[in-house]
Amino acid sequence: DIQMTQSPSSLSASVGDRVTITCRASQSIANYLNWYQQKPGKAPKLLIYAASSLQGGVPSRFSGSGSGTDFTLTISSLQPEDFATYYCQESYSSLGYTFGQGSKLEIK
Amino acid sequence: EVQLLESGGGLVQPGGSLRLSCEASGFTFSDFAMAWVRQAPGKGLEWVSTVSSTGGATSNADSVKGRFTISRDNSKNTLYLQMNSLRAEDTAIYYCATRAYQLYSAMDVWGQGTTVTVSS
Repeated sequence: DIQMTQSPSSLSASVGDRVTITCRASQSIANYLNWYQQKPGKAPKLLIYAASSLQGGVPSRFSGSGSGTDFTLTISSLQPEDFATYYCQESYSSLGYTFGQGSKLEIK
Repeated sequence: EVQLLESGGGLVQPGGSLRLSCEASGFTFSDFAMAWVRQAPGKGLEWVSTVSSTGGATSNADSVKGRFTISRDNSKNTLYLQMNSLRAEDTAIYYCATRAYQLYSAMDVWGQGTTVTVSS
C-alpha cells in the first residue's frame, strides 16, 4: 500500500505570507497527486489535481508542483479565508486512495 | 446543480448494521466511479470504498474489508454503503464523492456528509 506523509502537521502564518506544505509518497505515483482544503464542519474541496492543475474556481494564489514521490502545495499570499486544513491524496492506486494526515494552517 | 446528498446515518450499537445512501443529481451518475470517505471526530480523512461506474468493480480499505459493501443503482442515481459488524472506531462523518476520471481520479464533487455513531 502507498503511504502519504505530509509536513508540517500544523503551521501558523499571517495574512499575506507565502506558505508551502509538502507531501511525500512511499513509492512513485507519477503525478497522481491531489490537494484538498477542508474548513471546520464542511466537506473537503478539491483545489489541485494531477499535482499542478488548478481546479476550476480556485484562486490562482494556490499552486502545486512535483512528480514521482515529492510534492508541494504553495499559497503565494495568504488570505483570511485560506485558514483551514489541507490534505494531499494519491489517486495512483487502482480504485483506491490514500490521504495524507493533514496540515492545519492557523492564523499567527 | 451538481449535488450529492447522503442519508442513513445515525446511532447504532456495536455489532449492528447500517446502510448509507448517496443520491446524485445534476450530472450523469452512471459515467462516474464513486467513493466513500470518512472522518472520525477530530481526525483526518480516510478513504473507505470505491465502486466503478458500472458497479462491476469495487475496492475497500483494509479497515473495512469483510464488513462494508459498496454498491450502486444507476437507475436510481444512488450510491450505497452497507456497513455490518460496526465497531466504535467506525464512528465518523461519512462522505460520498465522485471519482473524476478526467481529473486524474481526483474527488471533485462531495456530499455534505452523514454522521454514524457506534455506541452502546
